[in-house]
Amino acid sequence: GEDVEQSLFLSVREGDSSVINCTYTDSSSTYLYWYKQEPGAGLQLLTYIFSNMDMKQDQRLTVLLNKKDKHLSLRIADTQTGDSAIYFCAESNTGGFKTIFGAGTRLFVKA
Amino acid sequence: DAGVTQSPTHLIKTRGQQVTLRCSPKSGHDTVSWYQQALGQGPQFIFQYYEEEERQRGNFPDRFSGHQFPNYSSELNVNALLLGDSALYLCASSFRVGTVGYTFGSGTRLTVV
Repeated sequence: GEDVEQSLFLSVREGDSSVINCTYTDSSSTYLYWYKQEPGAGLQLLTYIFSNMDMKQDQRLTVLLNKKDKHLSLRIADTQTGDSAIYFCAESNTGGFKTIFGAGTRLFVKA
Repeated sequence: DAGVTQSPTHLIKTRGQQVTLRCSPKSGHDTVSWYQQALGQGPQFIFQYYEEEERQRGNFPDRFSGHQFPNYSSELNVNALLLGDSALYLCASSFRVGTVGYTFGSGTRLTVV
């Protein structure tokens, strides 16, 4: 079945890089996403990667995909206190269809 | 450009009651998906509406039903509320063809007592 797993907590110092990891089970996943949720808010799409790509970079964000191991990671360079939030890994078969989310990784950034 | 709007923002109901939550999608979007997010959990897919029909459904009982109107707005109805239905209910909109990812609303916090 479809399942997305990620570690629950990550703590880093301001200015360091953060790496959040995720594994998924659905081999037919076409799109893999990272969403950010701040307290009291909905989810915000940060970035996504197509399953035929290995890497995508978008400013401070780098997404790495290992399709063989069904492993996705999000690297945030020069992490700031404003990056403190919950980060959700998610996957879908097509862009506008049902999306499965992980439980979220809570990122704490220490000043 | 208004994003996804949900109402109400907070709601308290008693076990056994019924509730209706509302969502207006982002301008230009035609598809609405509903998610339930329990405290400390990721969002769980309830169902998705497109062209006023339920297109996909997650593992939720029939107590959860919905509707989409011609203007693409949507309602989520939950009957016979249980304490376990307490959660943040998120509406997400997208364009059926051509968009990648959702635009989420801020959610409705439902508390069942």
